[in-house]
Amino acid sequence: GAVVSQHPSWVICKSGTSVKIECRSLDFQATTMFWYRQFPKQSLMLMATSNEGSKATYEQGVEKDKFLINHASLTLSTLTVTSAHPEDSSFYICSATKTRAGTDWLNEQFFGPGTRLTVL
Amino acid sequence: AQKVTQAQTEISVVEKEDVTLDCVYETRDTTYYLFWYKQPPSGELVFLIRRNSFDEQNEISGRYSWNFQKSTSSFNFTITASQVVDSAVYFCALSQGGKLIFGQGTELSVK
Repeated sequence: GAVVSQHPSWVICKSGTSVKIECRSLDFQATTMFWYRQFPKQSLMLMATSNEGSKATYEQGVEKDKFLINHASLTLSTLTVTSAHPEDSSFYICSATKTRAGTDWLNEQFFGPGTRLTVL
Repeated sequence: AQKVTQAQTEISVVEKEDVTLDCVYETRDTTYYLFWYKQPPSGELVFLIRRNSFDEQNEISGRYSWNFQKSTSSFNFTITASQVVDSAVYFCALSQGGKLIFGQGTELSVK
């Protein structure tokens, strides 16, 4: 199997606070994890690519100082939304790829169930 | 630039009808992967199929079938004899070098 979990599944916070979301690969080692954001009735947009032991690569338009990503181990990546504001309210989804093996390892992503963030 | 277009925003069908969800993609690369995902109201993405650019064989899995045509850059998805449980948002996606580019999604409502 290839199970990815996210914690928490939902969170409500006050404006100005920071929120940390965890993404874990439960039964495999994940060299690379991805973070997506999905606003209501919209598509998933890639925010950043996280490689274990190195700095995350952010997509254009994503503030790296606002969305802090840490991938300290092969099974855990965290996304911290710093000083969250109502416009950060969204559905955050992570995905993970297995440790490099074969030629198309990057093209099989396993998705977590998502975290719904509501900022009041 | 890579792009995925799902022109149908919403589709509503009656149970047992067949329905086709369209997906058109743009890429300059010769090696790429195409995917379909289902997103039910719970939000969790459900993987349906992956197809690489060198495999143009159509695929059937139960009531689901996929038609990949490189000549028209399309990767369409057909559900035969639709059921209420098929109601969800369906995303087509293109992967190059690991980055997934999603289409806007098609919301299918089966009544």
